[in-house]
Amino acid sequence: EDQVTQSPEALRLQEGESSSLNCSYTVSGLRGLFWYRQDPGKGPEFLFTLYSAGEEKEKERLKATLTKKESFLHITAPKPEDSATYLCAVDNYGQNFVFGPGTRLSVLP
Amino acid sequence: SAVISQKPSRDICQRGTSLTIQCQVDSQVTMMFWYRQQPGQSLTLIATANQGSEATYESGFVIDKFPISRPNLTFSTLTVSNMSPEDSSIYLCSVLSDWTGELFFGEGSRLTVL
Repeated sequence: EDQVTQSPEALRLQEGESSSLNCSYTVSGLRGLFWYRQDPGKGPEFLFTLYSAGEEKEKERLKATLTKKESFLHITAPKPEDSATYLCAVDNYGQNFVFGPGTRLSVLP
Repeated sequence: SAVISQKPSRDICQRGTSLTIQCQVDSQVTMMFWYRQQPGQSLTLIATANQGSEATYESGFVIDKFPISRPNLTFSTLTVSNMSPEDSSIYLCSVLSDWTGELFFGEGSRLTVL
């Protein structure tokens, strides 16, 4: 069965303290891996798509990378406004995307 | 990216009643989906809304409880029928871009059942 896991479940950082979130996947096939940001009570906001191992994408303080087994979302010098839940999802060529449970990030001023 | 509008954004309902959520997209899309996100949980796919035919439901979800309409390529509705407190969730409409294969979400409809 296809599965996506994320770690840590929750992460608290001081403003400016860089860190990484992990998304590990076990799928029968990978068309793409997606990262989303979700604020409380809101729908997920699309961040990145990664299609092949070695690919990297950047947006402001965020950089996503992909290997054959996992993806990392690196957050450089985070600010309090980066606090959110970060979700990853895999498109396994199936009828739907497989979502991970998310990482709740809190950035303290 | 597609602009997806959902309404209502939130509602408080009584047990045993039904509520219909509307989803409007600013462009034609082939694939539309409805997800549920229970408190503190990740996203669970309810069904794929098929234009001009019956929706395709995931395991654990049935048409009698979650009837879905998709009259055209820009609009869909999800009804949550005979609600119970366990139906309290955020319900999310999403679309798959025909061009990029990326999945986009509406703002969600937060439903509380008393």
